[in-house]
Amino acid sequence: DIVMTQSPDSLAVSLGERATINCKSSQSVLYSSNNKNYLGWYQQKPGQPPKLLIYWASTRESGVPDRFSGSGSGTDFTLTVSSLQAEDVAVYYCQQYYSIPFTFGQGTRLEIK
Amino acid sequence: QLQLQESGPGLVKPSETLSLTCTVSGGSIRSSSYYWGWIRQPPGKGLEWIGSIYYSGNTYYNPSLKSRVTISVDTSKNQFSLNLSSVTAADTAVYYCATYYYDDNGYSPFDYWGQGTLLTVSS
Repeated sequence: DIVMTQSPDSLAVSLGERATINCKSSQSVLYSSNNKNYLGWYQQKPGQPPKLLIYWASTRESGVPDRFSGSGSGTDFTLTVSSLQAEDVAVYYCQQYYSIPFTFGQGTRLEIK
Repeated sequence: QLQLQESGPGLVKPSETLSLTCTVSGGSIRSSSYYWGWIRQPPGKGLEWIGSIYYSGNTYYNPSLKSRVTISVDTSKNQFSLNLSSVTAADTAVYYCATYYYDDNGYSPFDYWGQGTLLTVSS
């Protein structure tokens, strides 16, 4: 199984400031034949299902604000919220869909400082 | 817009079998390339993929649960179901159904999710 490890476990950032969440996979999720990273990011607010924000490590899902961006390749990935808004308070998960079993990171709780 | 809705008993006794159903609306469960899956989340914890099914009946299970899991599909009702046998308190979780597709690029992430249903294992 590919193990996904996120850091930090929790993060407090002031409104308008940048938030950065890291995700590391135990093996590469880059498929060389198409140069795609099989890595997604989700946002989960209390009482709601996860919502897909980013796929292919850096492609924003339709309707996702452009303050959310994803980067990285191979085994190391980052989700950045460029200017934190109150509505961004949530738990964020990375997920690899490179191979079965699909696996998720443990989650990072993002709060307002 | 695809919508998924889980349904189930809410409470199951230890050692019994958990049964949940996901009803798909706004699209056909027979849609080419779409796979239908179950994911669970224990209270206050992270996400665990349980398994997935294609409308043809092909199934894929998490090895950690494979011995206890059966996923089935009923195309006439546009539903798919999860059975988890010999449950314990550790199986208490919110259970989500979700979908992804598989094409020339391989797998995709889960783009549509149900709202989830809390399943408690208790005597």
